[in-house]
Amino acid sequence: KAGVTQTPRYLIKTRGQQVTLSCSPISGHRSVSWYQQTPGQGLQFLFEYFSETQRNKGNFPGRFSGRQFSNSRSEMNVSTLELGDSALYLCASSLVVVGDGYTFGSGTRLTVV
Amino acid sequence: DQQVKQNSPSLSVQEGRISILNCDYTNSMFDYFLWYKKYPAEGPTFLISISSIKDKNEDGRFTVFLNKSAKHLSLHIVPSQPGDSAVYFCAASENSGYALNFGKGTSLLVTP
Repeated sequence: KAGVTQTPRYLIKTRGQQVTLSCSPISGHRSVSWYQQTPGQGLQFLFEYFSETQRNKGNFPGRFSGRQFSNSRSEMNVSTLELGDSALYLCASSLVVVGDGYTFGSGTRLTVV
Repeated sequence: DQQVKQNSPSLSVQEGRISILNCDYTNSMFDYFLWYKKYPAEGPTFLISISSIKDKNEDGRFTVFLNKSAKHLSLHIVPSQPGDSAVYFCAASENSGYALNFGKGTSLLVTP
């Protein structure tokens, strides 16, 4: 079966711009979570969506937002980009909750210059 | 505040020997623990998990041990193989819930 698909794989943006990343979960998976991975902080939880509702949110500023569509696909948006937003953004899907075991996508590498 | 800690950034083991990766946590509400493996340029891959009602879970060459009183878990890989070389992340959640708290990872190198 198809895995978690993230697009694009790589992005270069300028400070102050905004960016939208996309994630298509495994068919049948209704929970989609987003994580930011940086060398210094490791993997940090951004937010989680289930049936188009945000169920949980990590400690990130309001510049980071997301949404989920009725087909479970999800997007995350970062506005007013800062250099420190450069990271690998990972999307993970699961059937209902984390206990089912996440399946991660390969990530989107965002570089802010 | 890092609630899940992997204090060894790297580990080198000879092929055929045992690899032991350690993880400590501070939040006593964590009740579900997972290990992920990550190769460069790929997303993490789920490896094995354990619920807080157990103290051991095995899957082939991989065994996870949980010591709740010490708030410590470990992943044993026996025997280690060169293909096991990757970064291993420990993660934990509350109420098998909606978010995972990850450690910063341990880079395992298995040498022939």
